[in-house]
Amino acid sequence: GQQVMQIPQYQHVQEGEDFTTYCNSSTTLSNIQWYKQRPGGHPVFLIQLVKSGEVKKQKRLTFQFGEAKKNSSLHITATQTTDVGTYFCLLYNQGGKLIFGQGTELSVKP
Amino acid sequence: ETGVTQTPRHLVMGMTNKKSLKCEQHLGHNAMYWYKQSAKKPLELMFVYSLEERVENNSVPSRFSPECPNSSHLFLHLHTLQPEDSALYLCASSQGTGPLDEQYFGPGTRLTVT
Repeated sequence: GQQVMQIPQYQHVQEGEDFTTYCNSSTTLSNIQWYKQRPGGHPVFLIQLVKSGEVKKQKRLTFQFGEAKKNSSLHITATQTTDVGTYFCLLYNQGGKLIFGQGTELSVKP
Repeated sequence: ETGVTQTPRHLVMGMTNKKSLKCEQHLGHNAMYWYKQSAKKPLELMFVYSLEERVENNSVPSRFSPECPNSSHLFLHLHTLQPEDSALYLCASSQGTGPLDEQYFGPGTRLTVT
């Protein structure tokens, strides 16, 4: 069956350091979405990737979709305290089944 | 953001109580979802409704009973819950249930079962 692994589970960084979270699937994906959930908040949509090898940027955030459409990454350059939260991927496999990644909790030390 | 609202925001109930969670979306979407988010666990999809019809039910215990009277409202009826059901219950909506539809989440109901 569909396996999805999001790593790391936790990441503690010093403000100004970079951060990357990865989402890996055992099967080919139709697309992938990324969400952010601030502490005490609810998930908020960030971006969607559809095409093989796609790269999208939002200010200091860079999102990539692997060539084989089995993995994706979210990279934050020069983290700020406002980046704190849990980032998780939402996958739809080829059968259209919705699957969430386990999430990566980011903490940023000022 | 007020696109998706949930009430109550906090709920404490005993194991013999019956309560209901309410969700309302003001976005004109056709699909609505219930999720459970327990501490240190990923989001668990519970139910999906599309145009008021249940299209997905992920092996959720019968003590959770969803109701979708129209495309703007979604309820989760709770009865004889267990302490392990304590969690954040999130409602979401999307334009459709397709893979490209982004989801808009409500603020959640923090449920504690005593």
